Amino acid sequence: AQRVTQPEKLLSVFKGAPVELKCNYSYSGSPELFWYVQYSRQRLQLLLRHISRESIKGFTADLNKGETSFHLKKPFAQEEDSAMYYCALSSIWGNTPLVFGKGTRLSVIA
Amino acid sequence: DAMVIQNPRYQVTQFGKPVTLSCSQTLNHNVMYWYQQKSSQAPKLLFHYYDKDFNNEADTPDNFQSRRPNTSFCFLDIRSPGLGDAAMYLCATSNRLAGDYEQYFGPGTRLTVT
Repeated sequence: AQRVTQPEKLLSVFKGAPVELKCNYSYSGSPELFWYVQYSRQRLQLLLRHISRESIKGFTADLNKGETSFHLKKPFAQEEDSAMYYCALSSIWGNTPLVFGKGTRLSVIA
Repeated sequence: DAMVIQNPRYQVTQFGKPVTLSCSQTLNHNVMYWYQQKSSQAPKLLFHYYDKDFNNEADTPDNFQSRRPNTSFCFLDIRSPGLGDAAMYLCATSNRLAGDYEQYFGPGTRLTVT
């Protein structure tokens, strides 16, 4: 069964400090991992996906199959990064539903 | 702008009174999804349409039904809402024909059951 675990419900950091949002997954097949973000009063939107290997808004995430992790990182947090972050998992073939973690609320303090 | 639109944004219904939530998209995506999201919880997939093919999640209550009359529109029908059905309902689309599995979400409809 697919499962995504985000151990932190809330993460508070100071502006300029590094950020790491943790995500671990359980999946027997070949996974595709995503990070979705929801800013206040806005819709859920894709932040990044492991296949594209991009850096979006300064965030990066590396898929570690050995540790079954896909942690989201940013070296210097900005106030506008405050939002709800969801890690999500599907198969690379796209034939399984997207499974979301419970989310981590990031609060960046000025 | 091409987008996913949900109406209404807020819906209040009475216990047991049928309610329909609507979703439309201008992205021409072939897959449409309905999620339920309760407070402080992850979005939970209820069902999805791959083109006209309906795919129900095993644990979606029978009380929830869906219709997709055409590519652009998809409806969520709750036949007899209970207090436990109060939640945010999210519609999403994806363009699997193009091999893109990213999901594009609407703003959601917040359902209150009185």
